[in-house]
Amino acid sequence: EAQVTQNPRYLITVTGKKLTVTCSQNMNHEYMSWYRQDPGLGLRQIYYSMNVEVTDKGDVPEGYKVSRKEKRNFPLILESPSPNQTSLYFCASSLWAGGGPDTQYFGPGTRLTVL
Amino acid sequence: DQQVKQNSPSLSVQEGRISILNCDYTNSMFDYFLWYKKYPAEGPTFLISISSIKDKNEDGRFTVFLNKSAKHLSLHIVPSQPGDSAVYFCAASSGGSNYKLTFGKGTLLTVNP
Repeated sequence: EAQVTQNPRYLITVTGKKLTVTCSQNMNHEYMSWYRQDPGLGLRQIYYSMNVEVTDKGDVPEGYKVSRKEKRNFPLILESPSPNQTSLYFCASSLWAGGGPDTQYFGPGTRLTVL
Repeated sequence: DQQVKQNSPSLSVQEGRISILNCDYTNSMFDYFLWYKKYPAEGPTFLISISSIKDKNEDGRFTVFLNKSAKHLSLHIVPSQPGDSAVYFCAASSGGSNYKLTFGKGTLLTVNP
């Protein structure tokens, strides 16, 4: 079954405690991306990757890091989380067709609370 | 600076009627546009896309129209069904070697039986 998995699904942490949210896809997609969803702000792209070792900033990259050491995995790292990073996070993957992602698959989401 | 705008936070329609969701953009470099649907407690799902070389794309009950001169696109759902009730996001990319994807804030569609 084609899927994007994220872990953990829920996380409550404290300010400054480093955390990693994992993301994995089984579709051999080259394009992977992280988004956050906040009330009234919609979806905003944090980082994206077009290939192994190739990552770039989205619209809201501050406070986040990513890595793409393997094609299937794209972890999101918060080195020093702050309360303004409390949000719902989605990982997604797709092929890239022409000018945009081709049928981007999203994970189920990770709800992060930073106290 | 919001480059993709969905100016209607919500829309309510009757089952069987047409739903029209609108999206405006300001970046003239955008040349590929997508619509996603999102139910509560789930990740978004891809609905339909359109390249700037087209002005219309259809997939079953869903049709996306693109007016490049007006920097406007719309998603038509005909006929609307209660299961279409969800948040709809418009997104855009500028293609080439720029793989960034910019989303609108979403429109909550409610289809009443």
